[in-house]
Parts: sequence; C-alpha cells; structure tokens
Amino acid sequence: AQSVTQLDSQVPVFEEAPVELRCNYSSSVSVYLFWYVQYPNQGLQLLLKYLSGSTLVESINGFEAEFNKSQTSFHLRKPSVHISDTAEYFCAVSDTGAGSYQLTFGKGTKLSVIP
Amino acid sequence: DTGVSQDPRHKITKRGQNVTFRCDPISEHNRLYWYRQTLGQGPEFLTYFQNEAQLEKSRLLSDRFSAERPKGSFSTLEIQRTEQGDSAMYLCASSSRDSTEAFFGQGTRLTVV
Repeated sequence: AQSVTQLDSQVPVFEEAPVELRCNYSSSVSVYLFWYVQYPNQGLQLLLKYLSGSTLVESINGFEAEFNKSQTSFHLRKPSVHISDTAEYFCAVSDTGAGSYQLTFGKGTKLSVIP
Repeated sequence: DTGVSQDPRHKITKRGQNVTFRCDPISEHNRLYWYRQTLGQGPEFLTYFQNEAQLEKSRLLSDRFSAERPKGSFSTLEIQRTEQGDSAMYLCASSSRDSTEAFFGQGTRLTVV
C-alpha cells in the first residue's frame, strides 16, 4: 500500500515570487510519481510525472519537480508564479508493478497567487 | 475528442434513494477508473475496468455500490439506498493501454439530503 502526504493545505504567494509545494510518499514497492492540477470548475489535469531516468522533470508551463528517493519526496517548484497558476495541486503515486496504474493521491495543496 | 464526460454534473437526492452516474471515456481508451473525492481530501480509488472487465475494487466500494462497463465503452456507477456519507464528488478517468497518464472528467457532485 502507498500513502501520500502533502504538508501544506494552502499556500498563498505573491505574483512573480517562487513557490514550492511539498509532497512526501510512503510505499513498500517502487512507484511512479505524478502532480495533477485542478483549476476552478475544471477536472484534474496531469501537470508532470516521473517514471524513470532523470530525477528532475518539467512541465510546459514552467513547473518542475525532483524525485528524491532517499527522502521519498517529489516536491513541485516554480521560480516565478502567475495569477493563472491559482489552482489546487495534487501529488499522486502508482505502483509500478500493478497493471492498473491506479493512483493514490495526497489531500491537495491550494495555491493562491496574490497580485 | 471531447475528453472524458460525466453525467450528470450535479445530483441532489434524498437519503435512501438510488442514483446512477454515467461516464463516457475518451473513445480509444480501454482503461476506466472511478474515484471519489470528499471535501478537503484527495481523490480515492474506487474501481477499475479494463475493457468490460472489472479488475479491481477498493474496500471503499461497499455492497451498495455497483459499477458496470457493459460494452467496454461507457460506464455507470450506481449507489443504492444512498446515505449522507455518500455525498462527494465522483470522478471518472480513462487511459489508453499501458499508459500511466489518466484523463479525468469534471466529476459528478452528489449531495444526499
């Protein structure tokens, strides 16, 4: 079984400031790691994922996350946020050996970008 | 491709009534998932289909819940004898064979009064 902990339920940050959303996971098996984003009144969308290879992964809109196996973390960062980044962000894992790729999510972090 | 669609978007029902939700996945996706999200929580896995076969069910899926995907296309989730604790957002997701990326619908928000 896996579990995901998102340490901050809400993160307010000023526009153009950097942000880090923290995610730690616990698992007895090897996992894939994901960040999903949910904009207001929209469904969950995949932001980025780590499957293997380089531990630093990037999204098309400037977010990046680094897989740290020793610390079992997958923190999400952006050097300069925009108003449009206001959303709820969910960290998730799935068992690499399970054929279903079902996801175990954290509770989410609400990012509020202040103009 | 219009993405994953769910119907209805909102449902208010009285305790004890039965409700049924529908999910239409992306057309070429053979995997379909149902999740439940309550206030302040992340989505929780309920069940998984590969084509028409229901391959996994969570312990969250009590015997009042049943899901089907009769022709390997759309899926339905039925809740019988609804309880107030069933109030939640019910999310459907789909993915293609061997893909780790799940595409989510906007969900059906159920309120049991």
